[in-house]
Amino acid sequence: DAKTTQPTSMDCAEGRAANLPCNHSTISGNEYVYWYRQIHSQGPQYIIHGLKNNETNEMASLIITEDRKSSTLILPHATLRDTAVYYCIVRGGATNKLIFGTGTLLAVQP
Amino acid sequence: DSGVTQTPKHLITATGQRVTLRCSPRSGDLSVYWYQQSLDQGLQFLIQYYNGEERAKGNILERFSAQQFPDLHSELNLSSLELGDSALYFCASSVSPNEATGELFFGEGSRLTVL
Repeated sequence: DAKTTQPTSMDCAEGRAANLPCNHSTISGNEYVYWYRQIHSQGPQYIIHGLKNNETNEMASLIITEDRKSSTLILPHATLRDTAVYYCIVRGGATNKLIFGTGTLLAVQP
Repeated sequence: DSGVTQTPKHLITATGQRVTLRCSPRSGDLSVYWYQQSLDQGLQFLIQYYNGEERAKGNILERFSAQQFPDLHSELNLSSLELGDSALYFCASSVSPNEATGELFFGEGSRLTVL
């Protein structure tokens, strides 16, 4: 599975959009980009995933660059409850286990 | 609520002891995954089972073992416990074992403290 690089931490004002970047320059053609988040000591929660097209669901939007070497997770209107560690994961191949990196700690400020 | 149930939620034991953590996957999910999260290691994949068979192995110690039963629940056995085994242990489940687009649903974890 390809490696990902994320900033260690980010701040965002409540009500504003939170844009979380992720680099995955070694991603291969059949690998998906997944985002999960973990609110303090709770089980990780699925947010969104994509292959090459941009995706949107009720939680977030995922923007993947055309060369697929990076992506951005967008939380359109961050709330205090969105404070969590956000993990960008590249996944694919013969097994679908998730390999977590260190993630980005997003702190939403009032 | 993810639908994945883990017991016990908290467990305190002594070094050298053995414990069993239990996981009931979501209804209909055939694949179960175990993860360990300690303060200095982050979320580490331990092992995956699908329909009773081991499917993938990660950083699981020889002192640890797991199995998945015919009713699809899984148990993670930790023996000869050491202080460093203190961690949160998460179970996750999914429908398919090798589908790259399948979502994993995580339980709330079992917090193990070894004194």
